[in-house]
Amino acid sequence: EVQLLESGGGLVQPGGSLRLSCAASRFTFSSYAMTWVRQAPGKGLEWVSGISGGGGSSYYADSVKGRFTISRDNSKNTLFLQMNSLRAEDTAVYYCAKQANWGWPDYFDNWGQGTLVTVSS
Amino acid sequence: EIVLTQSPGTLPLSPGERATLSCRASQSVSSSYLAWYQQKPGQAPRLLIYGASSRATGIPDRFSGSGSGTDFTLTISRLEPEDFAVYYCQQYGSSPITFGQGTRLEIK
Repeated sequence: EVQLLESGGGLVQPGGSLRLSCAASRFTFSSYAMTWVRQAPGKGLEWVSGISGGGGSSYYADSVKGRFTISRDNSKNTLFLQMNSLRAEDTAVYYCAKQANWGWPDYFDNWGQGTLVTVSS
Repeated sequence: EIVLTQSPGTLPLSPGERATLSCRASQSVSSSYLAWYQQKPGQAPRLLIYGASSRATGIPDRFSGSGSGTDFTLTISRLEPEDFAVYYCQQYGSSPITFGQGTRLEIK
C-alpha cells in the first residue's frame, strides 16, 4: 500500500519561510508525478504545485508562483515544497498526493494525511 | 482556467436513498478528464472516480460517474451511513488543475 507522510508544517510569521517534506514509500517514486494540494480551514481543495517524475518540469498555481518552489529527491523518495514570503492566506493543511501517471496533468490516486501550516503573527 | 461549479452545496438525504451530485465546467473538459473525491472530517480526500466514469480500486459499485463535455454527475445508488461526507470534482484535462467547491452530503 502506498504511503505518503508529510512533515514540516507549523506556525510561521507573515513573510517567513517553511519547507515541507513528503516521504514516499511502497511504490516506484521516480515513475510518478507528484503534487501538493492545500485546504484552508473549513474550505475546499486548492491545487498548489506539481512536478514530473524526473523532476525536470514543475507547475504552479498563480497564487503561489514566484513564492513557492517544488522539488524532489528521487534517491530519497522525498517530495519538497519550499514556501517563502508566506501570507495569512497560505494558512492551510497541505497534502502531498501521488499522481496516477507520469504525465501532467492527472488525477491523484493516493494522498498523505496532511501537515498544517499556520501563518500568523 | 476551467471553473468547476458543484451543486447542490448541501444535499440532505437518508440512508438507502439515491444521491445525485452535479459538477458543471465553465468550458469543455478535455477527454472527460474528470475525477471525483470523497473527504470525511479530519481525513485526506479519497479517489472515487477518474476519467468521468471509471471507479478507482476498491470503490463499491454503488458509486458511479457519468457525463462529458461540461456536465458531469456522481451517483450513489443506495446511501450507506459511511457515505455521508463532502465530495469534490476535479478536472485534469488542462492546466491549471482545478477543483469544484464541494457538495456536502448530510444525513436528513
